[in-house]
Amino acid sequence: RKEVEQDPGPFNVPEGATVAFNCTYSNSASQSFFWYRQDCRKEPKLLMSVYSSGNEDGRFTAQLNRASQYISLLIRDSKLSDSATYLCVVNTPSGGYQKVTFGTGTKLQVIP
Amino acid sequence: DAGITQSPRYKITETGRQVTLMCHQTWSHSYMFWYRQDLGHGLRLIYYSAAADITDKGEVPDGYVVSRSKTENFPLTLESATRSQTSVYFCASSDWQGAFLDTQYFGPGTRLTVL
Repeated sequence: RKEVEQDPGPFNVPEGATVAFNCTYSNSASQSFFWYRQDCRKEPKLLMSVYSSGNEDGRFTAQLNRASQYISLLIRDSKLSDSATYLCVVNTPSGGYQKVTFGTGTKLQVIP
Repeated sequence: DAGITQSPRYKITETGRQVTLMCHQTWSHSYMFWYRQDLGHGLRLIYYSAAADITDKGEVPDGYVVSRSKTENFPLTLESATRSQTSVYFCASSDWQGAFLDTQYFGPGTRLTVL
């Protein structure tokens, strides 16, 4: 089992739709979680940190489910500009350091 | 506030040449990372550094060398470039937020072509 797994998609959704992505992780000791957005081989940019209580930023909601070991990202009222690849990141303690693991990304295409 | 910068942004080299990609961050972050991203694929970790003079291998370290004599710099050297190392290279930095490692901030990337 991969340490961090994402459905690669692509998810093709019409404008205005609601879309959700999941990201599963294998190590129960993982401590911090993030969603990034990456546009066409540009540098990934932080979209949201994910907290156990869940957090919301406008049309975006992220949640953490420690029991089932996954994080989710919900996008409401999709815009054309939301088309991108969404990467989840999981940080896990490892030998006194932190191991950072990226998922391979989920591609979203919002269609007019 | 410069943040994190990479140089050069574009590089074309020939097989067998040594190439060094530079990464500089102004935040004094503890952690720094090098990733490569091949066309149509995800990020793959090459090396990371938890602090000055502490480096460790990532997923794909072969053919690369790193050093970190100063906290703010993390150069990546391709000892003898091969065509398979044609890729986009991203540097990133991160720091502790309490007991957890916080978000990574990425540089703009270096597009390397090996002929």
